[in-house]
Amino acid sequence: GIQVEQSPPDLILQEGANSTLRCNFSDSVNNLQWFHQNPWGQLINLFYIPSGTKQNGRLSATTVATERYSLLYISSSQTTDSGVYFCAVAYGGSQGNLIFGKGTKLSVKP
Amino acid sequence: DTGVSQNPRHKITKRGQNVTFRCDPISEHNRLYWYRQTLGQGPEFLTYFQNEAQLEKSRLLSDRFSAERPKGSFSTLEIQRTEQGDSAMYLCASSALGVAYGYTFGSGTRLTVV
Repeated sequence: GIQVEQSPPDLILQEGANSTLRCNFSDSVNNLQWFHQNPWGQLINLFYIPSGTKQNGRLSATTVATERYSLLYISSSQTTDSGVYFCAVAYGGSQGNLIFGKGTKLSVKP
Repeated sequence: DTGVSQNPRHKITKRGQNVTFRCDPISEHNRLYWYRQTLGQGPEFLTYFQNEAQLEKSRLLSDRFSAERPKGSFSTLEIQRTEQGDSAMYLCASSALGVAYGYTFGSGTRLTVV
């Protein structure tokens, strides 16, 4: 099956700093999503981005499908950005089976 | 629309008992997904529906697990003869038809089997 690797596993930032989270995947994908799981456990969809670049406020994401990686950029981080960021992909004939990476745990200090 | 609703929020059950969880998706979403998440791990796919049809089911899902989505609206996930290893957060998500839409997750049902 497909492998989804996220890096770094843990990240500690001062408020206001920028960061880049990476997701590598081992096969062609037909679906790639980034999620934020807040400290209370709620999963929030950030981007649907199987290819290309998208921006939403302080967050942006880029997926280079031909090279099998995706990047999530967080600028001017805030304490509310803390939590775990997951990359999830679907591949082959599956449209419902998202395979999640192990996540990047982000802590933003005031 | 208030998003994806899951009930109950928490469930404690004795080993061997049956439990049932309910998920109410966003009303205009015709795809519904069930995932399971254990501590420190990413969510793991269980099954998904398009309208009332169950289109995909994880090979990891034992025969003790069953899901339904009658009339393509709410869905239920039943676990029979619960085991301690079933303790986890059970997450439901929904999305609109077509893969060009992201998933909206509910808050989950936390199951503890004692």
